[in-house]
Amino acid sequence: KQEVTQIPAALSVPEGENLVLNCSFTDSAIYNLQWFRQDPGKGLTSLLLIQSSQREQTSGRLNASLDKSSGRSTLYIAASQPGDSATYLCAVRSSGGSYIPTFGRGTSLIVHP
Amino acid sequence: AAGVIQSPRHLIKEKRETATLKCYPIPRHDTVYWYQQGPGQDPQFLISFYEKMQSDKGSIPDRFSAQQFSDYHSELNMSSLELGDSALYFCASSLGGERANEKLFFGSGTQLSVL
Repeated sequence: KQEVTQIPAALSVPEGENLVLNCSFTDSAIYNLQWFRQDPGKGLTSLLLIQSSQREQTSGRLNASLDKSSGRSTLYIAASQPGDSATYLCAVRSSGGSYIPTFGRGTSLIVHP
Repeated sequence: AAGVIQSPRHLIKEKRETATLKCYPIPRHDTVYWYQQGPGQDPQFLISFYEKMQSDKGSIPDRFSAQQFSDYHSELNMSSLELGDSALYFCASSLGGERANEKLFFGSGTQLSVL
């Protein structure tokens, strides 16, 4: 059964810092990995989707990398802003058995001015 | 662009009552997933549908049932509600079934409070 872990659980940084959020998974036979942002009490907003054959994806100040063999993905946020404050979740879609995305518990990020 | 629509946005029920949550996927999306998220928890998969047929089942209690209709919208029916059912219920949609390499798009969720 796929297990997804996100480290750190919480992060508080001053504005302007470059950040790295980590997502690890136990079964490297994955289909894809998707990063989401969730504001308190709100829905999940898709940030980036990385297919199993890809190494990274970029969107604006966000860059996500994937190392399937080591079971890891990182979300890099450049020049963080207070508006980036949210919980960031990764979801892994395994290619063996159920294809249902499995979520980590997320990293709660606070960027203070 | 149209997104996944969920209704109602908030729902308050008493114990042992029933509730129906609705989900309208993005137009042309044929796959719907239901997730439950407790406070401070990761979303837990409940059930999914592809082309109006149930395609996978997760930790959905027997008191809950769901279906996908001909217009691809889905409803989650919850009976004999318990306090522990209080959570944020998300619907997500995608194209092409679970094996397709497509993004999941989530609705804003229904916040269910059972008193």
